[in-house]
Amino acid sequence: AQSVAQPEDQVNVAEGNPLTVKCTYSVSGNPYLFWYVQYPNRGLQFLLKYITGDNLVKGSYGFEAEFNKSQTSFHLKKPSALVSDSALYFCAVRQNTGGFKTIFGAGTRLFVKA
Amino acid sequence: EAQVTQNPRYLITVTGKKLTVTCSQNMNHEYMSWYRQDPGLGLRQIYYSMNVEVTDKGDVPEGYKVSRKEKRNFPLILESPSPNQTSLYFCATEDRAYEQFFGPGTRLTVL
Repeated sequence: AQSVAQPEDQVNVAEGNPLTVKCTYSVSGNPYLFWYVQYPNRGLQFLLKYITGDNLVKGSYGFEAEFNKSQTSFHLKKPSALVSDSALYFCAVRQNTGGFKTIFGAGTRLFVKA
Repeated sequence: EAQVTQNPRYLITVTGKKLTVTCSQNMNHEYMSWYRQDPGLGLRQIYYSMNVEVTDKGDVPEGYKVSRKEKRNFPLILESPSPNQTSLYFCATEDRAYEQFFGPGTRLTVL
């Protein structure tokens, strides 16, 4: 069965410091992996995805994520955090064969302090 | 403007009173989904639809029904709501690049 784990409920970083939000997954076959962000009062937005190709993918707002097949991880990163990055971040996975369900993680709340 | 709309945005109802939450999209996407968001549980997929007249269960379908009679609409039906269905509900569409676009959410309270 598919599953996604976001081991941290909350991540705190200082503005200007690098940030990492962790995600590990379990899926049969090759995964499609995604990050979404939920800003207060602005709904959910797509950030980036890994479908195939380069393990390092770049997305919106300066975010990137690295697909690591051996560790079944897809951690979200940003070299320099902004206060405006404070939001709730969700990792999601879909099998690329045999079904079209999407499984989301429980979410990680990111606080960036000025 | 490309958008996913949901109605109502807020609803307070009582146990057992049938309700429908509508979802409409203007992006001509084939794939649509319903999710519920609960604190500590993230987003959980209720139902999804690959195209007109094609629907399938997500992870938490119990107590919900959907229909997809036309491409743009994907209503969520709660035939006999219960308090454990109090939640924040999101409709989403997906384009051919697998990116999902979410509606603004419907906050449902079942008393």
